[in-house]
This record gives sequence, C-alpha cells and structure tokens, in this order.
Amino acid sequence: GQNIDQPTEMTATEGAIVQINCTYQTSGFNGLFWYQQHAGEAPTFLSYNVLDGLEEKGRFSSFLSRSKGYSYLLLKELQMKDSASYLCAVNYNFNKFYFGSGTKLNVKP
Amino acid sequence: SAVISQKPSRDICQRGTSLTIQCQVDSQVTMMFWYRQQPGQSLTLIATANQGSEATYESGFVIDKFPISRPNLTFSTLTVSNMSPEDSSIYLCSVERDGLYGYTFGSGTRLTVV
Repeated sequence: GQNIDQPTEMTATEGAIVQINCTYQTSGFNGLFWYQQHAGEAPTFLSYNVLDGLEEKGRFSSFLSRSKGYSYLLLKELQMKDSASYLCAVNYNFNKFYFGSGTKLNVKP
Repeated sequence: SAVISQKPSRDICQRGTSLTIQCQVDSQVTMMFWYRQQPGQSLTLIATANQGSEATYESGFVIDKFPISRPNLTFSTLTVSNMSPEDSSIYLCSVERDGLYGYTFGSGTRLTVV
C-alpha cells in the first residue's frame, strides 16, 4: 500500500558498500523506518527518519528526502550475516505502518 | 523495548478449520497490530486492535474471516477462520516500541493449511 517501492533483490560482495533505495507516497507521511528480516524470523528495527538528512548508526546509515519521497539504507563493510531482506516501512497519519515489498540482499564472499 | 510472546509459533491445519493466535505483551500498550506475510512477500497490515473497541480492518480483510479480540492492554488474539490453503502465511503481531518510534514484532506464527 501507499506505493512504497524498493528493489526486489540485490547482490553485493563482502566488505563492500550497498545502497538500498525506497520511494513512497508523500501525503500523510510521518516517518520512515528500515527493518532487517532474516529468513524465517521476525523483522527487527534498524533505523528511523522523520527529518531530511542522514542518520548514521555504526555500519548502517539511512537517508531521507521528504520532498522527493525518497529514502535509502546504506550498509558499509558488508558482512555475510547482512544477507537478509530489508524492509522499508512508512508511518502515515501517526497510526499506521505500511511496508514495501522488501529487498533481498545477497552478500557473497 | 516491549517483549512480545506470540503463540503458537507454527501450526499445520486442515482446510475449513480455524486457528487462534495469541500475543502477550510484557507492558501495557494502546494499540496492537496484526500483519500477514505471505511466502516471499512483505508484511501486509490486517487490522489494528484497540482495547475496548472493535478492531479496525484494512481493505481486503474482514472481521468474519479474521476476528480479533483485545480484552486488555497486554493481550490480543487473531483468529483465522474457515481456513484455505491461501491462508498459509506468517502472521505477526506488533506494538509500539515503548514510546519510541517504530514497532516491535512478535516472533510470528507460521501457518500451513492443507
């Protein structure tokens, strides 16, 4: 719902940097979240952006441009354990979350 | 963050039967959310459950198929009724993260309907 779009799948090499993009419908926007989900497990919270700019948290950073309806998740120094699905989720009107289809990241040696 | 206990963790059910999934939270929360994640797909919001009122369902989901109870501020159930193989999914409950932004998810219920 809410036209949240992200690439279906990406592949990157261990030690490299990868950027996962997410675009969304801007009307009613109240915050954007990134979640990591390993196969067979529940999603876990990674980051939250409500203002424009970059939020850095260790190897992971998340960027937001509210006017463009655009965000990205940047993963540095990739490790094999980073192989997972990354979900972009947007909070609309303060009470509902909608998730993108998820990006499956494959990290290869 | 709130700790959510969800059960059962998995079940295999016969078509036409019903399954009730429970979520217990270790602190009081205003809203609880139920999601479905079909194989290979992302999460879809089924409904929002508030204590003391009827759940609010998203488009495509109806109370007769997915009745929800919310008897108090720490507990909720989702029933998947008259199941068919198309209901085979992971079902997750979630709550706000202790007043922080973002949500915490239960461990999920993997349902297979045969």
